[in-house]
Amino acid sequence: RKEVEQDPGPFNVPEGATVAFNCTYSNSASQSFFWYRQDCRKEPKLLMSVYSSGNEDGRFTAQLNRASQYISLLIRDSKLSDSATYLCVVKEAGGFKTIFGAGTRLFVKA
Amino acid sequence: NAGVTQTPKFRILKIGQSMTLQCTQDMNHNYMYWYRQDPGMGLKLIYYSVGAGITDKGEVPNGYNVSRSTTEDFPLRLELAAPSQTSVYFCASSDPYEQYFGPGTRLTVT
Repeated sequence: RKEVEQDPGPFNVPEGATVAFNCTYSNSASQSFFWYRQDCRKEPKLLMSVYSSGNEDGRFTAQLNRASQYISLLIRDSKLSDSATYLCVVKEAGGFKTIFGAGTRLFVKA
Repeated sequence: NAGVTQTPKFRILKIGQSMTLQCTQDMNHNYMYWYRQDPGMGLKLIYYSVGAGITDKGEVPNGYNVSRSTTEDFPLRLELAAPSQTSVYFCASSDPYEQYFGPGTRLTVT
């Protein structure tokens, strides 16, 4: 089993759609969770951290379910500019090991 | 703000050649990382450092070396380049959780 697993997609959605990405992680002791965005041929950039209580930033909502070892990202009212690869990232407790998922590709079309 | 800078942006090496990928950050972060990203794959950690003078191996360290003589700089050395090292290399820094990435170095070994 991979340490961090994501559906690779691609997800093809029209503008204005709501899309959800899921991610599962294998280490129950993992401490911190993030979603990064990576545009084609560019470096990853932090989109948002994921907190136990769930958190929202504009059109983006992230949720964490520790019992199921599951993280999600919801994008509402998709924009063309949301087209990118979304990386699920898990950081283990007590160390510096950070595991990146392979990413989920999103294409938003007009 | 410069953030994390990497040089060179592109490089073509012949098998058996050596080179150093440069990475500098101006955010005074203690933690620095080197990753490689192969096409369609997630980032894999090569080496990391928790401060000047301290480095440790990541998931895929073979064929690489690092040093950390200052807080700002974290060069990655490739000795005896092999085609399997063809990849995009990203340097990142954090203090301590959110990682900030450089623009990457695209390396081809032929």
